[in-house]
Amino acid sequence: DQQVKQNSPSLSVQEGRISILNCDYTNSMFDYFLWYKKYPAEGPTFLISISSIKDKNEDGRFTVFLNKSAKHLSLHIVPSQPGDSAVYFCAASAQGGSEKLVFGKGTKLTVNP
Amino acid sequence: EAGVVQSPRYKIIEKKQPVAFWCNPISGHNTLYWYRQNLGQGPELLIRYENEEAVDDSQLPKDRFSAERLKGVDSTLKIQPAELGDSAVYLCASSLLKTGVAFFGQGTRLTVV
Repeated sequence: DQQVKQNSPSLSVQEGRISILNCDYTNSMFDYFLWYKKYPAEGPTFLISISSIKDKNEDGRFTVFLNKSAKHLSLHIVPSQPGDSAVYFCAASAQGGSEKLVFGKGTKLTVNP
Repeated sequence: EAGVVQSPRYKIIEKKQPVAFWCNPISGHNTLYWYRQNLGQGPELLIRYENEEAVDDSQLPKDRFSAERLKGVDSTLKIQPAELGDSAVYLCASSLLKTGVAFFGQGTRLTVV
C-alpha cells in the first residue's frame, strides 16, 4: 500500500521554464512534508519542507504547495536549470515530523539546455 | 561541518555470507535512521533510533538483520546471512530529535551474487 505516490516517473523541461512535480498521499495523519533531490551515486539531499498548517513555502527558486483537502502537494522550480536534473522524492511524516519519513518512488527530472 | 558518513560505499558478497555497514551521524543528532532503497523505489525505513533506543524497528527483517547504536552515536547494520534479494542501497540518515528533516549519507550499494 503506497501511502505517498508520485505518479510521474519522469519529467522533461526546457531550461528557464517551470518544472512542476506532483505528489499525492493517502494517510490523513501526515502533517509534515518534504522534498528531497537525489543525484546518481549520492544520498538524497533535503530541498524544502512544509507543515500542514501552511499551504505554501518558498525558498529561492523552489516553492512547495500543499492542498490538504486533496491530499496533494507539488514542487515548483522556477526557472529550471540543467543542474536541477535529478530524481526528486516526496516524503511525508506524522506527528509534526517526529515520526518516520515515508517516501514516494521519485520523479526523474531532466532539464534540457 | 561533516555530514553523515557511511562505509563502505560499495560491497559485493556471495549469498549466505555476512555483511556489515557502518554509519556516523552528524554530530549532535540524536535520531538515526537506516533506510533501504531498491532500484526504482523510494527509501524504506528499516529502523529508527532515538539516542540508544530503537523506537521503530517494525520493518526490520529480524531473522537476518540486526542493528546497534551503542552510546547513541555511530551505528552498525548487519545482515547474516545475506540473500540475493538484499541487493539494494542502504542509506543512513540522522536528524535532531523531532525536527522532521533527516540528512542522508551517500549510502552503501550492496550486491549479493
